[in-house]
Amino acid sequence: GAGVSQSPSNKVTEKGKDVELRCDPISGHTALYWYRQSLGQGLEFLIYFQGNSAPDKSGLPSDRFSAERTGGSVSTLTIQRTQQEDSAVYLCASSQTGTGNTEAFFGQGTRLTVV
Amino acid sequence: AQTVTQSQPEMSVQEAETVTLSCTYDTSESDYYLFWYKQPPSRQMILVIRQEAYKQQNATENRFSVNFQKAAKSFSLKISDSQLGDAAMYFCAYRSAWYGGSQGNLIFGKGTKLSVKP
Repeated sequence: GAGVSQSPSNKVTEKGKDVELRCDPISGHTALYWYRQSLGQGLEFLIYFQGNSAPDKSGLPSDRFSAERTGGSVSTLTIQRTQQEDSAVYLCASSQTGTGNTEAFFGQGTRLTVV
Repeated sequence: AQTVTQSQPEMSVQEAETVTLSCTYDTSESDYYLFWYKQPPSRQMILVIRQEAYKQQNATENRFSVNFQKAAKSFSLKISDSQLGDAAMYFCAYRSAWYGGSQGNLIFGKGTKLSVKP
């Protein structure tokens, strides 16, 4: 596609429910990143994929968070048993490679609200 | 682990004036890459400028330029002739050039909110 696509753009869920956030990277991009941005805050790193493998998942805040990437393309971030502190904007980015000065292109994010 | 610090949560500049946003980083590596990203209210992150650590020459992109001081681990962004459309959050980011487990990861600072006054 023309850019990184994230869906849904907004999600309201009840505390305790599971949610899935989807990221469609730019075609051919091998590197994919997930970040969390709380209101007025910076970008908190969650996980990084190179192809289908995740060499760095150190940022996942708890075992309620998981992510996968299939076919070196689409990625899904799953949050189980959501809590109110999970409310944030979840940003996905992709880059042609994960090396050097290659630009990371961002989606517009999914705003998650846990009520 | 590498860290990126942006010490100015908010900055303000008059239209047509120049403003400098600060960024410092902590690393033990000698080779890495630095970036400035802009996030307008639309939430769409856009790359503004990038710098390779092995290059001594400061990067420039039109009205945007950087002052890269490797020894001081400083990477400031200068915006000349500020325009209303420059109003946004600006994030500084670091990427290691080391081929290890986390190589490729982009580490961001907390951002600086820039306001432009007409």
